[in-house]
Amino acid sequence: DTAVSQTPKYLVTQMGNDKSIKCEQNLGHDTMYWYKQDSKKFLKIMFSYNNKELIINETVPNRFSPKSPDKAHLNLHINSLELGDSAVYFCASSQVGGSTDTQYFGPGTRLTVL
Amino acid sequence: QKEVEQDPGPLSVPEGAIVSLNCTYSNSAFQYFMWYRQYSRKGPELLMYTYSSGNKEDGRFTAQVDKSSKYISLFIRDSQPSDSATYLCAMIRGTGANSKLTFGKGITLSVRP
Repeated sequence: DTAVSQTPKYLVTQMGNDKSIKCEQNLGHDTMYWYKQDSKKFLKIMFSYNNKELIINETVPNRFSPKSPDKAHLNLHINSLELGDSAVYFCASSQVGGSTDTQYFGPGTRLTVL
Repeated sequence: QKEVEQDPGPLSVPEGAIVSLNCTYSNSAFQYFMWYRQYSRKGPELLMYTYSSGNKEDGRFTAQVDKSSKYISLFIRDSQPSDSATYLCAMIRGTGANSKLTFGKGITLSVRP
């Protein structure tokens, strides 16, 4: 069973388009995250949600809008895609207050904006 | 200065070598220290986790934390080609839902057979 899954795995699109990435976790965790990993492999947090409530928003452009319909899902919608949005986007989840707050990562969505 | 600095790479070693990976940090608020391993085209996976100064051993891997010097290390003994991956140090500050994980830039390790 996949603990944290993301769809799609690859996304190639034109500049200016709107796209969504979906994330689901079956670990029963209450907190979910979106990270962006750039071409130099630097992994940076974008958002975190705890029990469907936005907790962390790391000065990400308004074009990025996360949505959490329930504790097990956190989707990322991106409007008006730009070339600089090309990166790998990782979803992660954790159980806050657990023994380690360990974050479990999904396989990533490789976004290419042409 | 970035909050978490990681030794630049890439690093290439022969099979069986001892590997030392290092990170420094500037923020005393970091309480938990981790090492993640990321294989090519995969998500990061937790390798080691520690919260106190000292050493923690797990098989061929040893994580070392020195809070007074704000320095963490990961040692890999008897390195294997399967250890070839990117290693990212990571640190948590804050508590509960406000806890935030900050990563180092990562170092790519290649173990030659």
